[in-house]
Amino acid sequence: QSALTQPPSASGSPGQSVTISCTGTSSDVGGYNFVSWYQQHPGKAPKLMIYEVNKRPSGVADRFSGSKSGNTASLTVSGLQAEDEADYYCSSYAGNDIVVFGGGTKLTVL
Amino acid sequence: EVQLVESGGGLVQPGRSLRLSCAASGFTFDDYAMHWVRQAPGKGLEWVSGISWNSGSIGYADSVKGRFTISRDNAKNSLYLQMNSLRAEDTALYYCAKDTSSAYFIDFDYWGQGTLVTVSS
Repeated sequence: QSALTQPPSASGSPGQSVTISCTGTSSDVGGYNFVSWYQQHPGKAPKLMIYEVNKRPSGVADRFSGSKSGNTASLTVSGLQAEDEADYYCSSYAGNDIVVFGGGTKLTVL
Repeated sequence: EVQLVESGGGLVQPGRSLRLSCAASGFTFDDYAMHWVRQAPGKGLEWVSGISWNSGSIGYADSVKGRFTISRDNAKNSLYLQMNSLRAEDTALYYCAKDTSSAYFIDFDYWGQGTLVTVSS
């Protein structure tokens, strides 16, 4: 059960796009289409932003999108806004009733 | 409105036990898998354990396997986490989270506000 690998930080200016990667193995990210992304603001509970690789829950802005290629999943935030500044975590089903999270990425809106 | 309310956290000495509870409302509890996810102070999220709708599938992170036990009472709309042999590294905010699936561990669409567990002498 190794954690998924995310860059510790990412940044972009308002209106720009930023992509956060999440790298796992063929036993987790690459093996299942059960990759999710969560947004967490300081002092708040996480919020589901993307599920099953590229699906958006109702109420989540369409500026958020997800994708996957091989063992790496990605979250893209388009048209960056100040309120997008937060920590982002990916997670994946890893088989045998196990879930793994990434280490998290702090997104800064410059 | 979906609500998940955790309780049972507190200060406990290393080696002792603690039982966390999560009271669920606003959805049909026995239709969904449930999870415990923790976050150590200033650190990232760590999945701890999950349980399917009928307790037929249960999983644990390696870091807690053999020490923690997850359970649920569908009649009481409640999720539990029995934590034994606690260590300093178990210190964290423990979240209860609802899965979008009944039988599989896929993703977490609702979260509680967490209950803080501090393991220290």
